[in-house]
Amino acid sequence: GNSVTQMEGPVTLSEEAFLTINCTYTATGYPSLFWYVQYPGEGLQLLLKATKADDKGSNKGFEATYRKETTSFHLEKGSVQVSDSAVYFCALSVPSGGSYIPTFGRGTSLIVHP
Amino acid sequence: DGGITQSPKYLFRKEGQNVTLSCEQNLNHDAMYWYRQDPGQGLRLIYYSQIVNDFQKGDIAEGYSVSREKKESFPLTVTSAQKNPTAFYLCASSKDRAKTEAFFGQGTRLTVV
Repeated sequence: GNSVTQMEGPVTLSEEAFLTINCTYTATGYPSLFWYVQYPGEGLQLLLKATKADDKGSNKGFEATYRKETTSFHLEKGSVQVSDSAVYFCALSVPSGGSYIPTFGRGTSLIVHP
Repeated sequence: DGGITQSPKYLFRKEGQNVTLSCEQNLNHDAMYWYRQDPGQGLRLIYYSQIVNDFQKGDIAEGYSVSREKKESFPLTVTSAQKNPTAFYLCASSKDRAKTEAFFGQGTRLTVV
């Protein structure tokens, strides 16, 4: 079946530190890959996506590259801010029985201290 | 503005009662989904629907029911058969095509009292 594995949190960083959140996936077929962000008490918002191998998705200083050879889609940011504190979800979408049901990882909590 | 709206934001239910969570979208999306979120467990799929008047069970459908009478609406009923209903419930929609993302509502936090 399809699945997504993320590094466990929480990840605790000081402001301006470099961020990496690891994500690997298992999928039958050729998935599209996504990172979503969830702020406390809210729903998920799309952060970035990549739809084919070697594509790089980017948004608000965050980046992730679709690596088919390692089945990975790691999230990075060069300099985090306190406002980046949130839960980050890696997800995939691949056709299954005629539907593209999103499959999510367990989420990684990021805490950024001033 | 197009979007997906869940209501209410907070809901309290007595044990043994059924309760219905509302989800409405004006994005003209074909597919709609219900997820349950518990701490440390990520998002688990309860039900999904690809088209009006049709829906499918997800991974944790027991104790829940849904309907899809209109494209815009996909309400979730948490029945008294659900053993542990206290959770954060998220509704989402998508175009149900390759390369497209899901759009989420703000969630409903259900507490059994």
